[in-house]
Amino acid sequence: TQLLEQSPQFLSIQEGENLTVYCNSSSVFSSLQWYRQEPGEGPVLLVTVVTGGEVKKLKRLTFQFGDARKDSSLHITAAQPGDTGLYLCAAGGSNAGNMLTFGGGTRLMVKP
Amino acid sequence: GAGVSQSPSNKVTEKGKDVELRCDPISGHTALYWYRQSLGQGLEFLIYFQGNSAPDKSGLPSDRFSAERTGGSVSTLTIQRTQQEDSAVYLCASSSVRRSPLHFGNGTRLTVT
Repeated sequence: TQLLEQSPQFLSIQEGENLTVYCNSSSVFSSLQWYRQEPGEGPVLLVTVVTGGEVKKLKRLTFQFGDARKDSSLHITAAQPGDTGLYLCAAGGSNAGNMLTFGGGTRLMVKP
Repeated sequence: GAGVSQSPSNKVTEKGKDVELRCDPISGHTALYWYRQSLGQGLEFLIYFQGNSAPDKSGLPSDRFSAERTGGSVSTLTIQRTQQEDSAVYLCASSSVRRSPLHFGNGTRLTVT
């Protein structure tokens, strides 16, 4: 059973469009991370959020951690073909030891 | 190199053979993780090392899977009597301290024929 549910699983959009992907759970997490993975490579960390309600911006990417620390969203403004990839959220609860649990990912394709 | 290094990058093996996958973490990183990723899917946790000890082996899917880490550095993941369902990308990651962000290697793509 996956603790983190990501939606949508697949998203294909045109360059310049906006999009939001979601990461939801019934568990409370002490922190949550977002990674992006390109084909043939390992995931690369984008951001870590730790405080309920926190919002972080990374250029055209806006990350939000839910008030109850059970969910998160990633919003991309004016998507570019270079944003194409697999977006993964990952979290570890206070009792999870050192294991990071990953969601199933959202595969984004941005067409020029 | 400055990043996590995994070898081989690709491995094709026959069903029933044993395979050994290697991970060289970033120098000085004490925590090391193995994950498995099936085609286009998320990451499945396998095992975690802190130094040379493995306090969390909960993700190993069967007793055919084992891992060790020597000298607080290099780790090997061994799969005995490989099965077709073992086909996946095996990713290694390291971090400097407990639960700090993970730095991943590019993975080993294992294909069992």
